[in-house]
Amino acid sequence: SQQGEEDPQALSIQEGENATMNCSYKTSINNLQWYRQNSGRGLVHLILIRSNEREKHSGRLRVTLDTSKKSSSLLITASRAADTASYFCATDTNFGNEKLTFGTGTRLTIIP
Amino acid sequence: DVKVTQSSRYLVKRTGEKVFLECVQDMDHENMFWYRQDPGLGLRLIYFSYDVKMKEKGDIPEGYSVSREKKERFSLILESASTNQTSMYLCASSSQGQGDGYTFGSGTRLTVV
Repeated sequence: SQQGEEDPQALSIQEGENATMNCSYKTSINNLQWYRQNSGRGLVHLILIRSNEREKHSGRLRVTLDTSKKSSSLLITASRAADTASYFCATDTNFGNEKLTFGTGTRLTIIP
Repeated sequence: DVKVTQSSRYLVKRTGEKVFLECVQDMDHENMFWYRQDPGLGLRLIYFSYDVKMKEKGDIPEGYSVSREKKERFSLILESASTNQTSMYLCASSSQGQGDGYTFGSGTRLTVV
């Protein structure tokens, strides 16, 4: 079963604009993570936000978490062509050993 | 540079064959995972392991088995490959208790004909 669902499924923006992707989930979580996948490759870990955190930054990435709404958003500021990829949220619902459930992803295309 | 290595990037096998997908990590991670990725379905967990010789079923274990004889190696076995097992297979590892996220391999694209 899918714990996380990303929205939108696909997003195209001009280079330099900001990109926002959303993730909703169903059950209580230990943490929520965002990953990037370039076409046909493995996933790369971007950022992790714990259930007691509300916002986190890493470079051009900003993640928010609203546990009352069971939702998270990933903002990429000043987008670049190299940001073109699929982005996945993943929830860790194991309060012990980590075990992630992934959403279906958002396909982001940056138009030069 | 730490990494997770999957033995094959592309693989073509015949229906009914026994298929081994190998995954090796050099980070001394306790946890290892196998996912398959299909369009529109995201990543689905097949099997995982939190320790040597330990394995647990994920969400879609049917038709698969795993082996973890050494800490660094986690093998996925398709006992009798079928066309509906054509997919991208992704191996990942993580450190126990750190909550730092997964490190993924580059994936194996398996085609069963």
